[in-house]
Amino acid sequence: AQKVTQAQTEISVVEKEDVTLDCVYETRDTTYYLFWYKQPPSGELVFLIRRNSFDEQNEISGRYSWNFQKSTSSFNFTITASQVVDSAVYFCALSERGFKTIFGAGTRLFVKA
Amino acid sequence: DSGVTQTPKHLITATGQRVTLRCSPRSGDLSVYWYQQSLDQGLQFLIQYYNGEERAKGNILERFSAQQFPDLHSELNLSSLELGDSALYFCASSVDRDRHQASTDTQYFGPGTRLTVL
Repeated sequence: AQKVTQAQTEISVVEKEDVTLDCVYETRDTTYYLFWYKQPPSGELVFLIRRNSFDEQNEISGRYSWNFQKSTSSFNFTITASQVVDSAVYFCALSERGFKTIFGAGTRLFVKA
Repeated sequence: DSGVTQTPKHLITATGQRVTLRCSPRSGDLSVYWYQQSLDQGLQFLIQYYNGEERAKGNILERFSAQQFPDLHSELNLSSLELGDSALYFCASSVDRDRHQASTDTQYFGPGTRLTVL
């Protein structure tokens, strides 16, 4: 069955620290897609990244990077040199062909100045 | 701005009432999804429409219904409202060019409708 686990409920860091948000997933399919979304205090859900199961190359976008490891079924998200504006709830999601998208419970990140 | 619009932004109503939430997808997107986000349940998938037809159903109550119109906008109808229905309701849209590859394209979310049932 599909499942997404974000074990970290809340993380608090001081500005400029690096922080990694964990995401572990379960799936029976060999073709699937993983996503990360950001929900700032204003409430909207902002798309960050989509990755398919055949592309294990890590990705970097500015201060954001993602580490996809099929061997451990993980798709972790790292923010380098965190900023106060990074404070938000971050959701990891899994989508299989023909099935609904499953979201993790989210990790609330607090970045203190 | 994701390009997905939702109205109204806020809705306050009483128990037992009926409300309609509206969503306009991004231009060119064929799929519309509805999600409910409450404090204790997280982000829950309700229902998906693809080009006017219901494609997938999640944890949607029988008191709730949705439809997608020929112009691809969608409405979510919530009836016999209860206090527990208070939540943030999101609409999302995706291209889904391949009708056989459901739910794998990126979903872009609207700003949400905050429903408060008193």
